[in-house]
Amino acid sequence: GAVVSQHPSRVICKSGTSVKIECRSLDFQATTMFWYRQFPKQSLMLMATSNEGSKATYEQGVEKDKFLINHASLTLSTLTVTSAHPEDSSFYICSAPPRTPRTSGRRTDTQYFGPGTRLTVL
Amino acid sequence: AQTVTQSQPEMSVQEAETVTLSCTYDTSESDYYLFWYKQPPSRQMILVIRQEAYKQQNATENRFSVNFQKAAKSFSLKISDSQLGDAAMYFCAYRSYNNNNDMRFGAGTRLTVKP
Repeated sequence: GAVVSQHPSRVICKSGTSVKIECRSLDFQATTMFWYRQFPKQSLMLMATSNEGSKATYEQGVEKDKFLINHASLTLSTLTVTSAHPEDSSFYICSAPPRTPRTSGRRTDTQYFGPGTRLTVL
Repeated sequence: AQTVTQSQPEMSVQEAETVTLSCTYDTSESDYYLFWYKQPPSRQMILVIRQEAYKQQNATENRFSVNFQKAAKSFSLKISDSQLGDAAMYFCAYRSYNNNNDMRFGAGTRLTVKP
């Protein structure tokens, strides 16, 4: 099946620094990638949708200036947590649906998830 | 907005027995997708099974099957012959067909499998 990687898998940083998390689709192209946040023992909450070649779409309540998203290519999206604070500590997961050929019928419904990145801000 | 509800925070099953995890959702759309994902301690999300709303037949994947009741907006997961490796968090998820952004997750059910 399709593979999505994330890097780093774990990062610890000091308060006030910025952290970049990469999400890559290894064997397929993705015009859209999704970024989720998961607090301990909670569900995944969609933060934003990364769109290749255009601005990301943020969910209500997510600060776009704090969580910078760049969809640099059809296989790479990055999430940068700027001026991180302890309350930003969480598990960040990306996912990507494979790009659907225009000649196909229904839009693909499958999303492939990365292994996640655990961010700890001291 | 669509919401997904999993009313069972925790469930337990004896190895080799059958367990059913419940999920209900709320939507005004007629075409959508429903999923069950498994999240083991590694935190990697693993797709267990998916159902397209326009299909009346319940999806089945080996020991995993769903009971999809569209009118009742219910989407339960049945795990037969439970194995120790089935222990994990299970999330029910809804995805709109028309809106590419709209994938919503339930709160999750933690499944314990007793040997």
